[in-house]
Amino acid sequence: EVQLVESGGGLVKPGGSLRLSCAASGFPFSSYSMNWVRQAPGKGLEWVSSITSSSTYIYYADSVRGRFTISRDNAKKSLYLQMNSLRGEDTAVYFCARDFPATPSRMGVFDPWGQGTLVTVSS
Amino acid sequence: IVLTQSPATLSLSPGERATLSCRASQSVSSYLAWYQQKPGQAPRLLIYDASNRATGIPARFSGSGSGTEFILTISSLEPEDFAVYYCQQRSNWPLTFGGGTKVEIK
Repeated sequence: EVQLVESGGGLVKPGGSLRLSCAASGFPFSSYSMNWVRQAPGKGLEWVSSITSSSTYIYYADSVRGRFTISRDNAKKSLYLQMNSLRGEDTAVYFCARDFPATPSRMGVFDPWGQGTLVTVSS
Repeated sequence: IVLTQSPATLSLSPGERATLSCRASQSVSSYLAWYQQKPGQAPRLLIYDASNRATGIPARFSGSGSGTEFILTISSLEPEDFAVYYCQQRSNWPLTFGGGTKVEIK
């Protein structure tokens, strides 16, 4: 069974940092691109960042570029999101999602998703 | 690319047909997906590339459209289908989602 389990969320002050992790199991992690998507409380979904299987290509939303860094460790079957210079508007549940290979060389279908980890940025 | 979903809320009874719309600000070809999200749960992929059902998704869910206009149809609502539905494009970076349509029980 494919499983994605996020961790590392919590309460952090504005300007602070946090590192999220996503532990994957049940599939060949090193063969799949991965993604982070977030959802502010009571709001819709917002794509945050994506990384290809070998970390060759990395993409960020404009809202986080320069502050967040996505990375992965294929040996540990883990995905990470380093979040620096956090702001109140970064408060959200952060989901890790595997990329579904609908077509070769084109990312961006999310399946499945983890249950998410809540990040709260507040003083 | 901005995705606009309508209506924001759809009030229907079990057994009725649901028609959800997603309009893109520019062509996304067929690179559009639909997700279902229930309260307190992660989203679930329903449809990818406009009309392909994901594994395990019941046949009552269907998607159509291309370019800028897309439709998600639920042919006969089951009690478990009352949820929020999001469309999402992967034609261009940044990847974007629509604002969602809530399907609620009338």
